[in-house]
Amino acid sequence: KQEVTQIPAALSVPEGENLVLNCSFTDSAIYNLQWFRQDPGKGLTSLLLIQSSQREQTSGRLNASLDKSSGRSTLYIAASQPGDSATYLCAGAPNTGNQFYFGTGTSLTVIP
Amino acid sequence: SAVISQKPSRDICQRGTSLTIQCQVDSQVTMMFWYRQQPGQSLTLIATANQGSEATYESGFVIDKFPISRPNLTFSTLTVSNMSPEDSSIYLCSVTGGANVLTFGAGSRLTVL
Repeated sequence: KQEVTQIPAALSVPEGENLVLNCSFTDSAIYNLQWFRQDPGKGLTSLLLIQSSQREQTSGRLNASLDKSSGRSTLYIAASQPGDSATYLCAGAPNTGNQFYFGTGTSLTVIP
Repeated sequence: SAVISQKPSRDICQRGTSLTIQCQVDSQVTMMFWYRQQPGQSLTLIATANQGSEATYESGFVIDKFPISRPNLTFSTLTVSNMSPEDSSIYLCSVTGGANVLTFGAGSRLTVL
């Protein structure tokens, strides 16, 4: 069974810092990878999707990359803002069946 | 991306009863996925629901406890049977839409007393 670990579990940074969130899969055969954010008591918002033929995706201050050889992904957030405070979840699908398995999450707090 | 509606959005139920959660998608999809998010936890995949066949359950989840129906390509239900307080969670329906983006409904928050 696919196990997905996110490091760190929690992170607190001052506003303006650049930061990296990590995600690793026990089975490195990841076909699609998606990063989400979840605000307290809210649903999931999709941030970035890396498809099978891709290695990274960028959206604004966010950049996600996937190393398929190791089964590791990183989410880079540039110039963090208090509004970035949320829980960040990675999810990977091992094949075209598209059953995504979720990581343990990283709780991010950006201090003004 | 697909728009997903879930009902109920929340409910409070008594131990030993069952609750059926409905999921409606605004477009036809081959597979629908049911997840559970326990308090303070990440999401765990319960099962994959294919139209015209039995759902495929993940390890630790069984059909007797979480029966799923998939009568057509836009609708699915998940029943939580014989509930206990440990079943208190958010239950989420999801689909993969265009470009394989995984999209979620708003979820059904269940509290079992």
